[in-house]
Order: sequence, then structure tokens, then C-alpha cells
Amino acid sequence: GEDVEQSLFLSVREGDSSVINCTYTDSSSTYLYWYKQEPGAGLQLLTYIFSNMDMKQDQRLTVLLNKKDKHLSLRIADTQTGDSAIYFCAESRYSSASKIIFGSGTRLSIRP
Amino acid sequence: DTAVSQTPKYLVTQMGNDKSIKCEQNLGHDTMYWYKQDSKKFLKIMFSYNNKELIINETVPNRFSPKSPDKAHLNLHINSLELGDSAVYFCASSRPKAGGVADTQYFGPGTRLTVL
Repeated sequence: GEDVEQSLFLSVREGDSSVINCTYTDSSSTYLYWYKQEPGAGLQLLTYIFSNMDMKQDQRLTVLLNKKDKHLSLRIADTQTGDSAIYFCAESRYSSASKIIFGSGTRLSIRP
Repeated sequence: DTAVSQTPKYLVTQMGNDKSIKCEQNLGHDTMYWYKQDSKKFLKIMFSYNNKELIINETVPNRFSPKSPDKAHLNLHINSLELGDSAVYFCASSRPKAGGVADTQYFGPGTRLTVL
């Protein structure tokens, strides 16, 4: 199937780490992405990982990929109010050039 | 500024009307897309063009007709608008990586369509 699944909501306290999880079904996935959508705006690419990697770190962001379990996560360290947004997991596949499948998005809210 | 731009940003219209949304990218990308995002924020691909040729056409009513006059532009024309067409429509572009694997997509700011 084409499913990419995420939980819909996540609430964290300011300063804590946020972990957003995603599962996908297609083992031919080659690239996996995290996009951020702020209110009233388009999607902005945060980071991506190639399927032969386990981890990628970029400043406060850490992406972990468990290819065996088809599980992707995004960890945001020291979560700030500006991190409030919807986070979309997405995958692309070698067999479907130019097509990216998006998850339903996780709405991250920050508590003071 | 290098970007993906869309016009208009907001579009309010009556049921039954015909309307167009325009998209332009100056990133030099070969591939452009239209997505529909519904009120629950679910993002679904509608169409994709590569170098002016249609390569993805998902299950979309034929009231929706994309047109790509050149590889920097992809417009979306919608005939006989219905209430259910109300959504945010996003344009995106990408340059495919070698081997045909999809590259990173860059999104426009969206067009919020409201059908009354």
C-alpha cells in the first residue's frame, strides 16, 4: 500500500525534546523527508535521510531511521515556541519517480 | 527572490464558476506539482508535470485541468466549482535526482479556495 502514518497530535513543554514518529509500508522507499508547515504557510523541507542511513543530525534536529521496522522519527531538542507547527513525514520510492507520499501530519503544540 | 510563487493567495467564488490558479517557479526545476490540502490538513497529490509533460494524474475529477505552458509554469483550471473543492491548493517543484528518484520538493505558499 501507499500508507505513511503519523499520530495527529503531540504536546510538549518548552525546553523539552519532541519526538515525532512515522511509519511507512513500502520497502522500496529511497528517501524519507520531514517537512514543517506553519499556520497559513506552505510546507518547508526540514531535513531528509537516504534509506541506507540510520541517523542524521542537523543542529537541534535528529532523524532516526529503522528500515527493518519501517519507522522514522524526528527529534527536536530544546523545543521552542517557534517549533509549533504541523510536521509531515514523507517518502519517495525508486519505482515512482517524482512522486512523494505524505503522511497526515503531526500537530506539535508547545506548553509554557 | 528564488521561490515557488502562486496567485492568487485567496480565492472566494460561487458554486458553478470556473477559476484558475497560477504557479511559477524560478528554481530551474524540471518537475512541478499540484497538491490539495483539505480541512484536516491531509495533503494529496493531484498532478505532476515534467518538462511540460503530464507524468502523474491521480484520481481527480476532470473538472480540474492542469496546463504547463513552459517548465517554469503550471496552472490549474477548475470548471464548475463545487463546495467540496474548498481547500488549500499547493504548487511545488523539484529536480529529480539521478536514477529517477524524486528529489526534494519546494512548496509555494498555497492558494486558499473557498467555494460558497
